Amino acid sequence: DQQVKQNSPSLSVQEGRISILNCDYTNSMFDYFLWYKKYPAEGPTFLISISSIKDKNEDGRFTVFLNKSAKHLSLHIVPSQPGDSAVYFCAATPAGGTSYGKLTFGQGTILTVHP
Amino acid sequence: GAGVSQSPSNKVTEKGKDVELRCDPISGHTALYWYRQSLGQGLEFLIYFQGNSAPDKSGLPSDRFSAERTGGSVSTLTIQRTQQEDSAVYLCASGTSSSSYEQYFGPGTRLTVT
Repeated sequence: DQQVKQNSPSLSVQEGRISILNCDYTNSMFDYFLWYKKYPAEGPTFLISISSIKDKNEDGRFTVFLNKSAKHLSLHIVPSQPGDSAVYFCAATPAGGTSYGKLTFGQGTILTVHP
Repeated sequence: GAGVSQSPSNKVTEKGKDVELRCDPISGHTALYWYRQSLGQGLEFLIYFQGNSAPDKSGLPSDRFSAERTGGSVSTLTIQRTQQEDSAVYLCASGTSSSSYEQYFGPGTRLTVT
């Protein structure tokens, strides 16, 4: 039972253009959402997060949008740079209770930004 | 400062052998998590330690898997009688109680069971 889904295994974008990575979830208990970036042979690194009380969070070139009614979030990177090429994971967790901090990850999307 | 470290970086073992994977979290981080990533899959939660509380073991796939965290710092994940389906990258992460959502990952241990 995949509670967090990233339906696009890969995405290819030209440098300078916008990259849009999508993520869907099924568990209505999820209250906090995160995006992680992973380079080969390294652990994932935290990129940006959003609480369910917001619908948008922006940090420099990275913006995360949350649509709670659709159980959908997206990560926008603009402008995209070749150094952004990596695997991007969407993750979600309830805000409290016994599952506090336990992240459920999507399968990842490989982003390739071409010069 | 130093990040999360894991050892070994690679481990090849024969089916049926036991293995131990080590994680050194960031100093002062009270939360520690183990995940694994099988080929082509996302990260799968295994176990979670928070301070002195009993660990959340709900993600461990079988009783062949166990983990301990000594002195609230270093953690060891043990897999007994390894099987080929245990082959994966095992990732450790740590976090603070105030920002446990933002977990800091180590580079992982790639386990191959032949």
